[in-house]
Parts: sequence; C-alpha cells; structure tokens
Amino acid sequence: AQSVSQHNHHVILSEAASLELGCNYSYGGTVNLFWYVQYPGQHLQLLLKYFSGDPLVKGIKGFEAEFIKSKFSFNLRKPSVQWSDTAEYFCAVNAGYSSASKIIFGSGTRLSIRP
Amino acid sequence: KAGVTQTPRYLIKTRGQQVTLSCSPISGHRSVSWYQQTPGQGLQFLFEYFSETQRNKGNFPGRFSGRQFSNSRSEMNVSTLELGDSALYLCASSLGTGSGVQAFFGQGTRLTVV
Repeated sequence: AQSVSQHNHHVILSEAASLELGCNYSYGGTVNLFWYVQYPGQHLQLLLKYFSGDPLVKGIKGFEAEFIKSKFSFNLRKPSVQWSDTAEYFCAVNAGYSSASKIIFGSGTRLSIRP
Repeated sequence: KAGVTQTPRYLIKTRGQQVTLSCSPISGHRSVSWYQQTPGQGLQFLFEYFSETQRNKGNFPGRFSGRQFSNSRSEMNVSTLELGDSALYLCASSLGTGSGVQAFFGQGTRLTVV
C-alpha cells in the first residue's frame, strides 16, 4: 500500500529564511507526486506536481520540489519565505496506474512565518 | 470555468442522525472522489466514483456511502452519525483515469456532530 511521510509537523521560520519540507513515500512503481497548500480558511490548492520528466519541478509562488527516485523523496523548497506563506502543506502521492482522484496524503506540515 | 462546488458549506447534526453532502464537479470532469480531513487523522480517502460506478474505496465503515449521478454530480451519505465523524469533507474532481491527470478540490463541507 502507498503511504506518505512528512517529517515535520510544525515549522516556524522568520521572513526571508529558506524553507525545505521533507516528504518520503513508499511505493515501488510509477508515481505521481504533489504538494498541496491549504491557507487558513481556504480550500486545498495545488502548489506543484510531478508526473514525469525533469525531476526538478517548479510551482506557483516560487516553490519548487525535487523528485529523487532512489530516495523515494519529494522535498518542497523555497529560497525565501514570506509571511503570506503561512499555511499547511501536504505532500501527496497517486500511484501511476490508479485514478487521478485517489490520492494518498501525508499528515501535513504547518508552516508559521514570523513577520 | 466554475470550480468544484460543495454544499452545504457548514452543517451541524446530532449523534444518530444521517447526513447527505453534495458535490458538483468541474464541467466535463467524470471522476469524483471524497476525502475526510480531521486534525488527528489528516486527509483520508473515502471513495471515488467514475461514470456512476464506485471504483475505489478507502478504509471507512459501511455507514459512509456515496453515489454519482449521470451528470457526474456526487453525493456522500453518512448514517448513524458519531461524534468522531465531525470533520471537513472534501470533494475532488478530475477528468478521469490515467497518469498525468490532476484532481481539483472543492472548499469542503464542515460537519459538526453534537
């Protein structure tokens, strides 16, 4: 069965600090990988996705993630965070063969940015 | 293009009652899936419907059920509500099958069981 692990439950950073959120998944086959963000009071939004090709993917709002197949990892990064990045971040995986809508989520990382 | 629409946005029910939540997918999307989000368990997959057929099911009791209509709209039903069913229920829609297809989420229905 697929599973996703996010290592940090709560990360607190100051504005302009660099961010890296860890994500590991367990599944031996082809996977689609996602990072979703949920801003306070808002719905889940897609930050970026990896389906195939270049393992370094760029998303919205300056976020990027790198797929390292040998490490089963898909870490999220941003060089300089802003107060508006305060949100909960979810790493997710969808097995390549299954429907696009069956997504397995990690437990989430709450990111708090100090102004 | 309108997004995924879930109704109602908020709901308060009493233990033992049943509830029906509704989801209208993005026009043209034929796959609808449901997720439960709680602080303790995070986001958990409930089930998925495609062309009016349930294709995948998560690990939830039989009190949780769903259906999809010919226009792709979907409903989720929870019978004999328990306090632990209090959660944000999210619906996602996608074009359908295959790799490389993205799911879009609605704003959710916040269910409180008292």
